Amino acid sequence: DTGVSQDPRHKITKRGQNVTFRCDPISEHNRLYWYRQTLGQGPEFLTYFQNEAQLEKSRLLSDRFSAERPKGSFSTLEIQRTEQGDSAMYLCASSFQSGDTEAFFGQGTRLTVV
Amino acid sequence: GESVGLHLPTLSVQEGDNSIINCAYSNSASDYFIWYKQESGKGPQFIIDIRSNMDKRQGQRVTVLLNKTVKHLSLQIAATQPGDSAVYFCAENRGNTGTASKLTFGTGTRLQVTL
Repeated sequence: DTGVSQDPRHKITKRGQNVTFRCDPISEHNRLYWYRQTLGQGPEFLTYFQNEAQLEKSRLLSDRFSAERPKGSFSTLEIQRTEQGDSAMYLCASSFQSGDTEAFFGQGTRLTVV
Repeated sequence: GESVGLHLPTLSVQEGDNSIINCAYSNSASDYFIWYKQESGKGPQFIIDIRSNMDKRQGQRVTVLLNKTVKHLSLQIAATQPGDSAVYFCAENRGNTGTASKLTFGTGTRLQVTL
C-alpha cells in the first residue's frame, strides 16, 4: 500500500496526558498537511509542511500542539496536556508541491480524551 | 470569514437515479475546487477536481460543474449505487499563490442510497 499511512488508528488517553501521532506521506510528495475533524464537521486545517519546513499554522493549533517533519518524510503531531476538547479525528494528507494538485488523505487517528 | 458551505445536509436517492450535491463558496479568489467522499471511520477520498478556468469536468460516473458567477459548485453522480452512500465534502484551495496552500472544507452532505 503506497498511500498515506497514519499510526495509531485509535488512541484513548486520560486528560492531561501527552499523545503523539505519526504520518507517513506518499513517498514522492513534498507537502504534508495535518487536519482535525470533529463529528459531523468537515476537516479543519491545522498546519502544513513543505519538505521539512513548517510553512503555516492555523490559530486552531494552540501552544499545546506541535508538529515536526525533521527529514522531510514522515511527520509527527504531538498534543501536550490533552483536554477533552481535543477529542477528534486527526487527518494527515500529502500532495506535490503545487497547490493545484489533489491532496491524498490517510485514514486518520481517532483520539478520545477521557 | 469566507467559507465553503453546502445547501443540504442529507440527500436520499434511490438506487439507479442520479444524485446532485450542491456547494456554495464565498471566496472569489478561490481557483481550485475538490470533491471528497468520506465513508464512516475513513479519511476523505478524492473524487474529482476542477480549476476555475473550467466550467465542467467529467470523471467516471461523476461530473463537477462550476458556476463562478454565483459561486456555486455541484457534484453529479450518475446511476447512484449503494456504494456511493457516504458524506461528500466540497473543498476549496486557493492554489499555488505563494501563500498557504490548504483546503477549506464545508460541513458535508450525507448521501443515502435507498434500494
